[in-house]
Amino acid sequence: AQKVTQAQTEISVVEKEDVTLDCVYETRDTTYYLFWYKQPPSGELVFLIRRNSFDEQNEISGRYSWNFQKSTSSFNFTITASQVVDSAVYFCALSERTGRRALTFGSGTRLQVQP
Amino acid sequence: DSGVTQTPKHLITATGQRVTLRCSPRSGDLSVYWYQQSLDQGLQFLIQYYNGEERAKGNILERFSAQQFPDLHSELNLSSLELGDSALYFCASSVEPGRPSSGNTIYFGEGSWLTVV
Repeated sequence: AQKVTQAQTEISVVEKEDVTLDCVYETRDTTYYLFWYKQPPSGELVFLIRRNSFDEQNEISGRYSWNFQKSTSSFNFTITASQVVDSAVYFCALSERTGRRALTFGSGTRLQVQP
Repeated sequence: DSGVTQTPKHLITATGQRVTLRCSPRSGDLSVYWYQQSLDQGLQFLIQYYNGEERAKGNILERFSAQQFPDLHSELNLSSLELGDSALYFCASSVEPGRPSSGNTIYFGEGSWLTVV
């Protein structure tokens, strides 16, 4: 069975600090997809990134970067120079290719960025 | 804007009642997923439809049912509602499950807030 663990329940930082959100996953499938979603206070789930299991290249998008390490089954998310608008709950999720394709979510990490 | 449309955005109803939540997927997406987000259970997968057929079932209660229509919109029916059914219900869509090229990116609607009183 697939499982996603986000051990950090809540993180509080001051604006301009860098912050890393951890995500560890379990799956028996050799091909799978990892995702990060952002849920701001308004409630919607905003797609941030998808990573395929066969592509371990890290990705940077503006202030966001993702570190995928298959050896440790981790897919961590770093926000550089955090801003108040980054305050949200962030979810890591996993989708298997041959198993259940629906997303399995972690429990989320609430990030509070203080001005 | 993800392109996934959900109605209603907010709904308050009494215990024992029945409600229907509606979802229009992104243009071109054949798969529709329903998720429930509650404080104690987190984000739980309920059910998936692909091109009108049920594809996968998650933690969906027997009191709940869903369907996907020929125009690809979907409805989630919740009946005999209980206080514990109060939650945010998300609909999501994707192009086609299982193909590496599609990557299975799933986009979510803004959700329907259901309050059972």
